[in-house]
Amino acid sequence: AQSVSQHNHHVILSEAASLELGCNYSYGGTVNLFWYVQYPGQHLQLLLKYFSGDPLVKGIKGFEAEFIKSKFSFNLRKPSVQWSDTAEYFCAVINQAGTALIFGKGTTLSVSS
Amino acid sequence: KAGVTQTPRYLIKTRGQQVTLSCSPISGHRSVSWYQQTPGQGLQFLFEYFSETQRNKGNFPGRFSGRQFSNSRSEMNVSTLELGDSALYLCASSLGQGWPLTTEAFFGQGTRLTVV
Repeated sequence: AQSVSQHNHHVILSEAASLELGCNYSYGGTVNLFWYVQYPGQHLQLLLKYFSGDPLVKGIKGFEAEFIKSKFSFNLRKPSVQWSDTAEYFCAVINQAGTALIFGKGTTLSVSS
Repeated sequence: KAGVTQTPRYLIKTRGQQVTLSCSPISGHRSVSWYQQTPGQGLQFLFEYFSETQRNKGNFPGRFSGRQFSNSRSEMNVSTLELGDSALYLCASSLGQGWPLTTEAFFGQGTRLTVV
């Protein structure tokens, strides 16, 4: 079955540090990938998505992700995090049937000021 | 425009009881999906409805069911509650045509269900 793996369960950074959150997916065919963010007490929001084209995708709030097909990866990056980036981050892929989103278990990011 | 509204926000139920959760999608959206979020399993897909028809179903027991009304509002029901059903239940709405490939899903804040 398709799956999404997020390597880091909890990441702790200081403000201005660079961020990279890992995401690997299991399916080898055409993939559609997403990163969602859930701020404390808020709903899940779309950060960015990749469907095709340029493998470097830019999203909201200065986030970007790079799709590397050979590594089955879609890592999320931000050059300089802020305290307000403290949240839970979820990587997701559309299942092979194209009928649902499959999420990773999430990475909690804590940024200290 | 108003977002996805889920009611109630918090719920405490006793093992063996049944529960109904409600989701009102964004106006004009015809697809509603439900997810269960737990610390151990993350977000898991329950089912998706489009124009009152269940189009897709995840790998959950038959105790989990849902329905969608003509105004696109959706309800999710869990019968014979178990302790392991304690979770945040999220609803997502989208325009529906071609979801999730071509339309974005917008999530509600969820219903926190605690089974004691």
